[in-house]
Amino acid sequence: GESVGLHLPTLSVQEGDNSIINCAYSNSASDYFIWYKQESGKGPQFIIDIRSNMDKRQGQRVTVLLNKTVKHLSLQIAATQPGDSAVYFCAEIHYGNNRLAFGKGNQVVVIP
Amino acid sequence: DAGVTQSPTHLIKTRGQQVTLRCSPKSGHDTVSWYQQALGQGPQFIFQYYEEEERQRGNFPDRFSGHQFPNYSSELNVNALLLGDSALYLCASSSTEHYGYTFGSGTRLTVV
Repeated sequence: GESVGLHLPTLSVQEGDNSIINCAYSNSASDYFIWYKQESGKGPQFIIDIRSNMDKRQGQRVTVLLNKTVKHLSLQIAATQPGDSAVYFCAEIHYGNNRLAFGKGNQVVVIP
Repeated sequence: DAGVTQSPTHLIKTRGQQVTLRCSPKSGHDTVSWYQQALGQGPQFIFQYYEEEERQRGNFPDRFSGHQFPNYSSELNVNALLLGDSALYLCASSSTEHYGYTFGSGTRLTVV
């Protein structure tokens, strides 16, 4: 299928290494943040989320860090695998309007 | 349990024509949101439907309209198609009880 990742910042990472993807969000009043993974030809797939009253949350091989002072969100992927190759988007929600606002995507390419 | 289903998967239309895209939400979800994703960009919010009414709208012209049916399925209509309407159109469903969004695989619309 067509690539989602044209013109996007690209992170190339060796298989087995850790990946860190960064995102700057826009609304200081956002209540909830989500990381999505999008593979070519598919819709965004939920990875992990975090509420604004937290600064860290861990899942399986993934960790999300939230720094509200500088409106920065990061996704850490441990032991990156070839199946992690995709475009990653952060998204934010304000409970008052209940709509997802997506940030700029980052393409991750895992080198076997 | 089926997730979000969108149809058709691909579509080619001529400038000036009209198009209707369809979405069936995930079982148990009552809210449907539509997004437009241009190549290399993050999804942009078009509008959201709940209880068969448009609840919120993004910055899209009136050429974009929608509908939600009693079974929660939804349609997105675009009139007077422009070349710039070429994009991946994503449907996301959610429940008013929590903020998890599930995306479909999208409809790839090409306007020639």
